[in-house]
Amino acid sequence: GIQVEQSPPDLILQEGANSTLRCNFSDSVNNLQWFHQNPWGQLINLFYIPSGTKQNGRLSATTVATERYSLLYISSSQTTDSGVYFCAVEGNTPLVFGKGTRLSVIA
Amino acid sequence: DAGVIQSPRHEVTEMGQEVTLRCKPISGHDYLFWYRQTMMRGLELLIYFNNNVPIDDSGMPEDRFSAKMPNASFSTLKIQPSEPRDSAVYFCASSLSAGYGYTFGSGTRLTVV
Repeated sequence: GIQVEQSPPDLILQEGANSTLRCNFSDSVNNLQWFHQNPWGQLINLFYIPSGTKQNGRLSATTVATERYSLLYISSSQTTDSGVYFCAVEGNTPLVFGKGTRLSVIA
Repeated sequence: DAGVIQSPRHEVTEMGQEVTLRCKPISGHDYLFWYRQTMMRGLELLIYFNNNVPIDDSGMPEDRFSAKMPNASFSTLKIQPSEPRDSAVYFCASSLSAGYGYTFGSGTRLTVV
């Protein structure tokens, strides 16, 4: 089945810093989503982005489907950005999740 | 829209008891998915339905697990009998159609003691 690799696995940032999270996938996809799992365990959908670039406030994402990767940019990080960020892709099977990037933003 | 609604939010039960988790998908969504999240295995798909029909249950770990979708607005995931290794967070998600974004419920945290 399709493989999803996320990097880095862990990231510690000072409040106000910027960061880039990466997601590599092993096959063509028709759906790619980025989720934020907050400290309460909720999975919040950030972006539906099978290709192209989208922005939502301090967050933006880019997917280059032909090269099988996606990037999530977080600018001016805040403590509320802490949590785990998951990339998930759907090809011939329902969404397959990566192992996530655990982000800690320190004040 | 209220989103995907799961109940209960937390469930603590004794080993051997039957557990039923419930999910109400977003109205009009044709697909419903059940995922399980554990530290060891991450988020993994258990089963999914299309128009109330189970499509793939290959992720269901054992015969102790069963899922139903009697109508478009309700699904259950049942574990009978429950075991401590079933302790996990169980998520339900729905999607409008294939290739569309998934919306996840808040999850049910199950603890089997």
